[in-house]
Amino acid sequence: DQQVKQNSPSLSVQEGRISILNCDYTNSMFDYFLWYKKYPAEGPTFLISISSIKDKNEDGRFTVFLNKSAKHLSLHIVPSQPGDSAVYFCAASARNYGQNFVFGPGTRLSVLP
Amino acid sequence: DVKVTQSSRYLVKRTGEKVFLECVQDMDHENMFWYRQDPGLGLRLIYFSYDVKMKEKGDIPEGYSVSREKKERFSLILESASTNQTSMYLCASSLSKRGTDTQYFGPGTRLTVL
Repeated sequence: DQQVKQNSPSLSVQEGRISILNCDYTNSMFDYFLWYKKYPAEGPTFLISISSIKDKNEDGRFTVFLNKSAKHLSLHIVPSQPGDSAVYFCAASARNYGQNFVFGPGTRLSVLP
Repeated sequence: DVKVTQSSRYLVKRTGEKVFLECVQDMDHENMFWYRQDPGLGLRLIYFSYDVKMKEKGDIPEGYSVSREKKERFSLILESASTNQTSMYLCASSLSKRGTDTQYFGPGTRLTVL
């Protein structure tokens, strides 16, 4: 039973438009959430995170929104660029339990020129 | 800049062979992790270590063991490889036990067991 779900295995977006990647979680103990990005033949790299005390965190073109009551978070990329084409993993942790991150299955984003 | 390196990018082994996957990090991080990545399943934690000679089981430790004799090096061992261990293996490290510390990943080893 997956505790972190990304229900869209893939997403295609036109260059310059907004990309919205979604993530749902089931464990109410999770209080810290991260997004990682993975290019083929490379390891995942950290993109952005959010603590449960916030509902939004922004870093340049990337914004993560957290809806605790719905146990849902989303990553917005505006504007999308071809170099954003990658697999995006959502991850969650309960900070009191240290570094035990639970990852979702990933969403493959394709940004079309 | 954190660097996590893994000994092989691609590896092909036969069923029953003993397999060693090596990981080295150069940032004096306390924690090291081994994950496997499979389509539709994301990254699943196999083992992790918070200190030298210390190890803890992750979510899927069966069929694997680990060794951490030096702080910078964390080895994953498949005692008798099986075809269901064909996967992408990813090593990661992080600075401390704080739940907010970023994990830094190596490039991965794609293991095929025939």
